Amino acid sequence: AQSVAQPEDQVNVAEGNPLTVKCTYSVSGNPYLFWYVQYPNRGLQFLLKYITGDNLVKGSYGFEAEFNKSQTSFHLKKPSALVSDSALYFCAVRDLRHTGKLIFGQGTTLQVKP
Amino acid sequence: GAGVSQSPSNKVTEKGKDVELRCDPISGHTALYWYRQSLGQGLEFLIYFQGNSAPDKSGLPSDRFSAERTGGSVSTLTIQRTQQEDSAVYLCASNFPPGRPSQETQYFGPGTRLLVL
Repeated sequence: AQSVAQPEDQVNVAEGNPLTVKCTYSVSGNPYLFWYVQYPNRGLQFLLKYITGDNLVKGSYGFEAEFNKSQTSFHLKKPSALVSDSALYFCAVRDLRHTGKLIFGQGTTLQVKP
Repeated sequence: GAGVSQSPSNKVTEKGKDVELRCDPISGHTALYWYRQSLGQGLEFLIYFQGNSAPDKSGLPSDRFSAERTGGSVSTLTIQRTQQEDSAVYLCASNFPPGRPSQETQYFGPGTRLLVL
């Protein structure tokens, strides 16, 4: 079965410091991986995706993620956190069946303090 | 262009009543998904529509839940005889048909927050 795990319920970081939000996955075959962000009372906003190609993927708002096949990870990173980055972050993997539905991790709350 | 829109944004109903939630996908997107976001279950898939194909209903939690998509565009999710455990945020997403890497991104609407009293 395909699954995604986000091992941290919450990540706290000081503004200006680098941030990492962790994600590991379990799929058979090549994964399609995604990161979404959700601000309070809003829907999910797409940040970035890995389908194929370079392992380092750059996305919106200065975020990037590194696909690591040997560690089955797809951690989200940003070199310098902003207070406005505080939100709920979801990692997801595309179901390999024809529907293409997304299977989500449980979410990680990022808190950036001034 | 316009993104995915959903209505209503909030819905409060009494236990046992029926509710209808609406989703307008991005123009040209033939794939449409409904997900549910709740505290206990996280984000879970409900149903998938693609063009004129039979929908994938494998995620619907009970036969009180149904959905339709008219004319390949607007979709309505109906919950009959609502229960308190149906309280959640219902999210709709759309994209081009899965299969092309460049088109693999699902775009989400703002959601409908349902509260069943």
